[in-house]
Amino acid sequence: NAGVTQTPKFQVLKTGQSMTLQCAQDMNHEYMSWYRQDPGMGLRLIHYSVGAGITDQGEVPNGYNVSRSTTEDFPLRLLSAAPSQTSVYFCASKTDGSVNTDTQYFGPGTRLTVL
Amino acid sequence: AQSVTQLDSQVPVFEEAPVELRCNYSSSVSVYLFWYVQYPNQGLQLLLKYLSGSTLVKGINGFEAEFNKSQTSFHLRKPSVHISDTAEYFCAVSSRSNYQLIWGAGTKLIIKP
Repeated sequence: NAGVTQTPKFQVLKTGQSMTLQCAQDMNHEYMSWYRQDPGMGLRLIHYSVGAGITDQGEVPNGYNVSRSTTEDFPLRLLSAAPSQTSVYFCASKTDGSVNTDTQYFGPGTRLTVL
Repeated sequence: AQSVTQLDSQVPVFEEAPVELRCNYSSSVSVYLFWYVQYPNQGLQLLLKYLSGSTLVKGINGFEAEFNKSQTSFHLRKPSVHISDTAEYFCAVSSRSNYQLIWGAGTKLIIKP
């Protein structure tokens, strides 16, 4: 199993550009999520999905869109990049969104810089 | 609302010395507690978790944590650290009523040779 994969590893954007961060998992997990990690702030939840066709907002959703057309894929779209979106982005998955005790599995991250 | 406080942003320690990374949480309901580790330039991985039962939880790489309900703490310990333990450690909490993980800000463990 590849686990959770993310592409690209690094990206530099100009203000106003749009892009999609890709996330895929091959563990047949129902629950997937996107976090951003900023120094001294831990992880903040952007969006999550409890299954194909179902998405919901997390703590910091503004400026981001998601969709979940398949169980495996959960792309994150930046609509119009802003310098405040400079961060490291992590995708994570777990077996079932309703099980609070499940381990989350993380991808290696995407380091995004917005100039 | 739940919250997690990791009291130290950085903890420097000499190799082979013991270490304790502190985590306190606030919650009005029963909680599940987690420690995740992030090695340099990698994603996070689970170190250990407390769900119920024995308050002393053992994890990977020789780490353990003790759940203390009266002090609302879940401190992480290792009796002897190695250079390979250099990483950032995150404490997180969830509950039966809130299945999203609430994360602490992280503690960087710096091992001095």
